[in-house]
Amino acid sequence: SAVISQKPSRDICQRGTSLTIQCQVDSQVTMMFWYRQQPGQSLTLIATANQGSEATYESGFVIDKFPISRPNLTFSTLTVSNMSPEDSSIYLCSAHDRVEDYGYTFGSGTRLTVV
Amino acid sequence: GQNIDQPTEMTATEGAIVQINCTYQTSGFNGLFWYQQHAGEAPTFLSYNVLDGLEEKGRFSSFLSRSKGYSYLLLKELQMKDSASYLCAPIGYSTLTFGKGTMLLVSP
Repeated sequence: SAVISQKPSRDICQRGTSLTIQCQVDSQVTMMFWYRQQPGQSLTLIATANQGSEATYESGFVIDKFPISRPNLTFSTLTVSNMSPEDSSIYLCSAHDRVEDYGYTFGSGTRLTVV
Repeated sequence: GQNIDQPTEMTATEGAIVQINCTYQTSGFNGLFWYQQHAGEAPTFLSYNVLDGLEEKGRFSSFLSRSKGYSYLLLKELQMKDSASYLCAPIGYSTLTFGKGTMLLVSP
């Protein structure tokens, strides 16, 4: 299955600043996604990262707050902008691989703390 | 939209069998996944069902009934390392939505 390298693994940031999270996949994948997992909660889909076009955002998430890039079929970034303590969460990227065999593969996650 | 319901927590003893149920309502349906997530780690893929019936993979089996909007994950010969959160995740038209997860606690 695809292997996803996600970085940074964790960061502590000041409110009002921005952090960019990167995900690199070891093979070309059709679809990539970004999720947020708040403490004790399940995963919430932020957006689908579309190669060569604007990301598709879920209800409650907007491009100004979570700009996403996907310049090719192996790489994507998520930026958390103008951070506040409420943005403290784990952010995970995911890639669509051979679904019947491997499902959707996840990066190891970025644990973000905003102070 | 999607509505997913699974028990919040379950307990079982080592060596036992446990069944985790999931009911769902989705806009479109293209299959259902089960994931395992240990605390502080990313989810890992367990199973994928797209047709009705039982899929068996070692100690883990997953069942799907599309007409009933129902799935279950069956774990046999429980081990301590099976203590984790189990996430039911149906896929709608193109995106994967996760349930809140069932925290399984396996005791000696």
